[in-house]
Amino acid sequence: DQQVKQNSPSLSVQEGRISILNCDYTNSMFDYFLWYKKYPAEGPTFLISISSIKDKNEDGRFTVFLNKSAKHLSLHIVPSQPGDSAVYFCAAREGQTGANNLFFGTGTRLTVIP
Amino acid sequence: DTAVSQTPKYLVTQMGNDKSIKCEQNLGHDTMYWYKQDSKKFLKIMFSYNNKELIINETVPNRFSPKSPDKAHLNLHINSLELGDSAVYFCASSQVSRDTEAFFGQGTRLTVV
Repeated sequence: DQQVKQNSPSLSVQEGRISILNCDYTNSMFDYFLWYKKYPAEGPTFLISISSIKDKNEDGRFTVFLNKSAKHLSLHIVPSQPGDSAVYFCAAREGQTGANNLFFGTGTRLTVIP
Repeated sequence: DTAVSQTPKYLVTQMGNDKSIKCEQNLGHDTMYWYKQDSKKFLKIMFSYNNKELIINETVPNRFSPKSPDKAHLNLHINSLELGDSAVYFCASSQVSRDTEAFFGQGTRLTVV
């Protein structure tokens, strides 16, 4: 049973425009959320995170929004650049396990068109 | 200087063989993990180790066994390989005591023929 879902397998955006990647989760015990970026033949690399006590975290062109009541988070990239083209994974941590085990979505492939 | 390194990057082997994948981290983290990404790109936790103790063991076959000789290493041993074991295996590490991200290795693509 997948606890983290990314329902859009792919997204295409024009360079300079905003990219919005969405993620939904079902486990109310998740307390920390992360976005990872992955290029082919490489491991996921950390992009940005947000604690469940916040509703927004911003880092340069990247902003993550968390809506706990809807169990939904999103990643905004503004402005989008061709180098942002990659697969983006949403991940969540269950706080009570005593470990940082991450539950991942299946990813969204972002293509930024020059 | 690679933070989390795993070897080999590619591994092709026959059914029934026993193989190992090695992982090392130089970040001083106290927890290491193994994740499996299957053909559907679903990335799922297999094991996590904290200070040489297995703290979570997901429902993976007991043919898979993690071995941690020290805090910086977590190797994955797989016995009697099956076709369904073909996947990409990622090692990761993190500092569990605070909100922080996990760092991933580059992955090992295992193909069982």
